[in-house]
Amino acid sequence: DIQMTQSPSSLSATVGDRVTITCRASQGIRNDVGWFQQKPGKAPKRLIYGAFTLQSGVPSRFSGSGSGTEFTLTISSLQPEDFATYYCLQHNTYPWTFGQGTKVEIK
Amino acid sequence: EVQLLESGGGLVQPGGSLRLSCAASGFTFSSFAMSWVRQIPGRGLEWVSGISGSGGSTYYADSVKGRFTVSRDNTQNTLYLQMNSVRAEDTAEYYCAKGDWLFHPCEYWGQGTLVTVSS
Repeated sequence: DIQMTQSPSSLSATVGDRVTITCRASQGIRNDVGWFQQKPGKAPKRLIYGAFTLQSGVPSRFSGSGSGTEFTLTISSLQPEDFATYYCLQHNTYPWTFGQGTKVEIK
Repeated sequence: EVQLLESGGGLVQPGGSLRLSCAASGFTFSSFAMSWVRQIPGRGLEWVSGISGSGGSTYYADSVKGRFTVSRDNTQNTLYLQMNSVRAEDTAEYYCAKGDWLFHPCEYWGQGTLVTVSS
């Protein structure tokens, strides 16, 4: 199975900060990665698909990059509503696998 | 508007069975692959199973292979997850999710249904 190693597991940041979350795949997966945001008690929401394509309706401060084995989700200027947990998902090879998650907390 | 509504969760004894349903509306159900994803309370997301639009192809996580069966009824716009021989570690919130027309997964999610395995 392909392992998705996500880092960091948590981070503390201030409104306006630039935040970067990374996922490393245990083998090459082209750009078959999505990024998801989840708030407590809610279903996840897709932010990015195909490694870098912004989901319709998602603010442009979110961006994705990478290909092959290393992928990054960047929030250019953190807003209060962005405090949440973020997950990557590889869908290149079954079984699909999520990263462990990154909890973004208020500093 | 895309809507996904899971049902069928509840309390089940170890070794027992349960069938989850996901009623879909707002899109041409048979045209899109669907997935089941679960989340143990307080833990991360785990992809459980996927099925093609026609239902002809199915996929499973190693943790549920041989115990769970995914299926769909495209005439009723409903996705199912038959859970057999359940274990305590299957206790989780179960979400259904719809893929997109580019075959990228989980564009839309349901609100989830909680399965608790306990005696």
